[in-house]
Amino acid sequence: GAVVSQHPSWVICKSGTSVKIECRSLDFQATTMFWYRQFPKQSLMLMATSNEGSKATYEQGVEKDKFLINHASLTLSTLTVTSAHPEDSSFYICSARTSAGESETQYFGPGTRLLVL
Amino acid sequence: GQNIDQPTEMTATEGAIVQINCTYQTSGFNGLFWYQQHAGEAPTFLSYNVLDGLEEKGRFSSFLSRSKGYSYLLLKELQMKDSASYLCAVMDSNYQLIWGAGTKLIIKP
Repeated sequence: GAVVSQHPSWVICKSGTSVKIECRSLDFQATTMFWYRQFPKQSLMLMATSNEGSKATYEQGVEKDKFLINHASLTLSTLTVTSAHPEDSSFYICSARTSAGESETQYFGPGTRLLVL
Repeated sequence: GQNIDQPTEMTATEGAIVQINCTYQTSGFNGLFWYQQHAGEAPTFLSYNVLDGLEEKGRFSSFLSRSKGYSYLLLKELQMKDSASYLCAVMDSNYQLIWGAGTKLIIKP
């Protein structure tokens, strides 16, 4: 099946630094990519939706200047957490959606754990 | 390699019971999650199993057998609103989530 990768898997950084997380669709072209945050044993919270070559659409309450999303190609989207603070510590999960005929299937990445000290 | 298997699609009748199976082969195990995802929405958390046995939560129950690499999600008294995709995900030894492709559940009146 389709594979979505994320890099890095873990990141620990100091408060005030910026962190970039990559999401790649390895064997398919993703028309749309999604970024989620997840807190322990909770539902995934959608942060933003991005389509290749256009600006991301952010969910209400998500600061677009803090969480920069770049979707430069059909296989790569990046999320940059700018000036990270301890409250940004979370599990960030991306997913990629492909259109295949009448079906649209969403594939999830393994997640990136961010710890801001 | 790591692998999660679950049926692609299942159909059931309103008011009935359905069991969605999930088998896994992963490098290490730190728990198994079930999520429900309606079309166009983010996945919502249903259950988390890390020990063997059955966990019941209202109409939904989840079972885990670590020795068999097997879990199931049991939905009782099915309602039309239960029509959704159900995702099985395992957290491996690196605390990474390995996702199944999801089971599309269709409920018929």
